[in-house]
Amino acid sequence: DTEVTQTPKHLVMGMTNKKSLKCEQHMGHRAMYWYKQKAKKPPELMFVYSYEKLSINESVPSRFSPECPNSSLLNLHLHALQPEDSALYLCASSPYIGGGNEQFFGPGTRLTVL
Amino acid sequence: AQKITQTQPGMFVQEKEAVTLDCTYDTSDPSYGLFWYKQPSSGEMIFLIYQGSYDQQNATEGRYSLNFQKARKSANLVISASQLGDSAMYFCAMREDPGGSEKLVFGKGTKLTVNP
Repeated sequence: DTEVTQTPKHLVMGMTNKKSLKCEQHMGHRAMYWYKQKAKKPPELMFVYSYEKLSINESVPSRFSPECPNSSLLNLHLHALQPEDSALYLCASSPYIGGGNEQFFGPGTRLTVL
Repeated sequence: AQKITQTQPGMFVQEKEAVTLDCTYDTSDPSYGLFWYKQPSSGEMIFLIYQGSYDQQNATEGRYSLNFQKARKSANLVISASQLGDSAMYFCAMREDPGGSEKLVFGKGTKLTVNP
């Protein structure tokens, strides 16, 4: 299994909703990442998990809450989002931090906040 | 300051011809890595090729090759024999290692269109 899966593919939510994005990989990778990509822009790193511990938080607002319950799963909990948070949210994984390993990306979740 | 620069917002190429996508980078770290990713309209980022700063030879992966000129801080992607399926956004990215962790910083991307 050499892929990263993300669910749901599309999500529409109101500003008062609570929702979660899910990312899963079964490649034995120990580093996982969340990126945010606005339309016609490059991906921007949000969070990095290494061995299930939060390694990098790129000053992301607290309405985004990451969680890594085990080495295969990465969640992004969303609460009280703003319309400007509408974007493609990409999850990625790599074998470990460092060493020039490529990051394997999932297909993304397209989020629309109304 | 922008660390990855892709100066070509859009490029056009005829099917079966070669095309070069430009990428320059800025870092003072002697150890770094450079990546190229392809993003079709579906959204998934597809890894194409990697070049480490200490690699002696230019990286190649099938029809993709990386023209790495360290002194000029450039890492251009060359796609040979373009195919219609190569039409996509292409991002150059650099790996940074702040404090033992790792992050990718992406350029703004180049939209490649392959014409039949």
